[in-house]
This record gives sequence, structure tokens and C-alpha cells, in this order.
Amino acid sequence: TQLLEQSPQFLSIQEGENLTVYCNSSSVFSSLQWYRQEPGEGPVLLVTVVTGGEVKKLKRLTFQFGDARKDSSLHITAAQPGDTGLYLCAGPYNQGGKLIFGQGTELSVKP
Amino acid sequence: DTAVSQTPKYLVTQMGNDKSIKCEQNLGHDTMYWYKQDSKKFLKIMFSYNNKELIINETVPNRFSPKSPDKAHLNLHINSLELGDSAVYFCASSHRLARFFGPGTRLTVL
Repeated sequence: TQLLEQSPQFLSIQEGENLTVYCNSSSVFSSLQWYRQEPGEGPVLLVTVVTGGEVKKLKRLTFQFGDARKDSSLHITAAQPGDTGLYLCAGPYNQGGKLIFGQGTELSVKP
Repeated sequence: DTAVSQTPKYLVTQMGNDKSIKCEQNLGHDTMYWYKQDSKKFLKIMFSYNNKELIINETVPNRFSPKSPDKAHLNLHINSLELGDSAVYFCASSHRLARFFGPGTRLTVL
């Protein structure tokens, strides 16, 4: 059972388009994180959202945490080829410091 | 300066062999991890060590044995490698909830 479901799994768009990636769960999370993983590299933390309804912006990336803290979204405005990569959402699971990951969204931005 | 480093980057070996992957972090973090990323890019926790003590041990075959000589190092030794062990293995350290990942080791078992 996948606790964090990401959609879509694959996304191929042209440079300049906008896109949204979703991370959904039936469980409540105290916080959610988004990572980006480029080919041949490890995931890199982009943002952590901790408050229901919170919106955080990182240049052209906008992250939102759902009011009920069960979901999050990542919106990219005017995508660029440098945005290409695997986007992973992650959240803490139980008390043991364990972080679980969604299955990821592979984004390809073509020039 | 590399924050989390692991060696080797690539590892190609025959079934049945024993191999090790080394990991070092210079971030001063107390907690380190090993993750496995399968061919579908799913990232799953294997082990977690806090200050050299094992705190998370997922359902990983006992052919996998982590060793932490000090809190800056967490190595992974794998005995009797099987085809299904082929994956990318990531070492990570953490500050609170944030994970800092190494560049990964792509293990291919032939």
C-alpha cells in the first residue's frame, strides 16, 4: 500500500508551459517535503510545508499544503529544460523518524 | 565540499559475490540512512543509524549488513549478491526531517 500517491507519474511538456504535480494521501501528515532528483544524482530537498493551507514559493515553483494536511501540490510556471527531473514528495511516518516517499513524478521539459 | 559522499559510483559484479559501499558525511549530522531506489524510481528506507546505533531496520534480507564506525560514516556490506539486488543505493544524513542524499551507487548484479 502506497501511503503517498503522486500524479501524474510521467509528464512531458514543452518549455514555457505550466504544470502541477500532486501528492495525495488518506493519512494526515505533520509536514510534507518535496525533493527533486536529477539523473545520476541523489534527491535534493526543495521545500518543507508544515501548516495546513500553507503556500511556499521558490522562484517559479509554488508549493501548497492542503488544509487537512493530507495532500500537497507543486506548481511550476513557465517550465524550463532545467526543471527536468524526478519530483518526490515525502512525509514523516510514525514516531521513529522514518520518512516515506511517494513513487515520484518524472518531468521532462523539452526546449 | 561534498556533503554526503559515497563510493563507488558504479558497481558491477557477479551473482554470489560480496561487496561493500562506503558513505561519509561532513555535515555533522547524528543520523545516517541507507535507501534503495528500484528500477521504477521508488525510494525505500533500508536502515537508519543515530550516533552509531541502529534505529531503523526495515524488512531487508540479513545479507545486508550496515556498519557505522563513527557518526560520520555508514557503510553497507552485501553478502551473496542476487540479481534482485540490482538498484541504486543512496546514503543520506538528516537534520530534523530534511534528508541530505549522496550521489548514489548503481549496483548491477550479473
